[in-house]
Amino acid sequence: AQSVTQLGSHVSVSEGALVLLRCNYSSSVPPYLFWYVQYPNQGLQLLLKYTSAATLVKGINGFEAEFKKSETSFHLTKPSAHMSDAAEYFCAVRGGSQGNLIFGKGTKLSVKP
Amino acid sequence: DAGITQSPRHKVTETGTPVTLRCHQTENHRYMYWYRQDPGHGLRLIHYSYGVKDTDKGEVSDGYSVSRSKTEDFLLTLESATSSQTSVYFCAITATSGSLETQYFGPGTRLLVL
Repeated sequence: AQSVTQLGSHVSVSEGALVLLRCNYSSSVPPYLFWYVQYPNQGLQLLLKYTSAATLVKGINGFEAEFKKSETSFHLTKPSAHMSDAAEYFCAVRGGSQGNLIFGKGTKLSVKP
Repeated sequence: DAGITQSPRHKVTETGTPVTLRCHQTENHRYMYWYRQDPGHGLRLIHYSYGVKDTDKGEVSDGYSVSRSKTEDFLLTLESATSSQTSVYFCAITATSGSLETQYFGPGTRLLVL
């Protein structure tokens, strides 16, 4: 069965610092992996997705993620944090043929001035 | 936003009352989903639909039922609301482009059961 684990429920960085949000997955088949962002009181917005075409995936707002099969990881990074990046981030894996997603518990990112 | 709307956006109800949440999409997507979001749990699948009148259970389906009589509408019903069903409910669709699938979410419904 597929699952994802997000390490760290809260991450705090200073503005301009590197953002690193960790996600490890478990999947019995080649995974489809996603990162979503949720701003306060809003829905989920797709940041990026991995579908096996390339191991380094670039998304919106300067985020990118690298798929590492040997480490079963799909960590999200951004070179320089901005105040507007403060939000909750969810890693997800496609759950099966019905297309549903299995989500991690989320990581709340705070950005300090 | 893939043309997904949810109604109502906010609702307060009392324990034991039935509640129906509506998800409406404008782009004819086949697959639709209902998730609930709770702190510390991420999002969990309640029910999903793969076509008109074709639905199936997800991970946390107890106490919920769904119906899909038209492609564009997917209804979630709490038969008799309980305080444990206080949550934020999200509807989603899967959009397919070639062999690539992407799931898009509606704005959510915040439900408080007193």
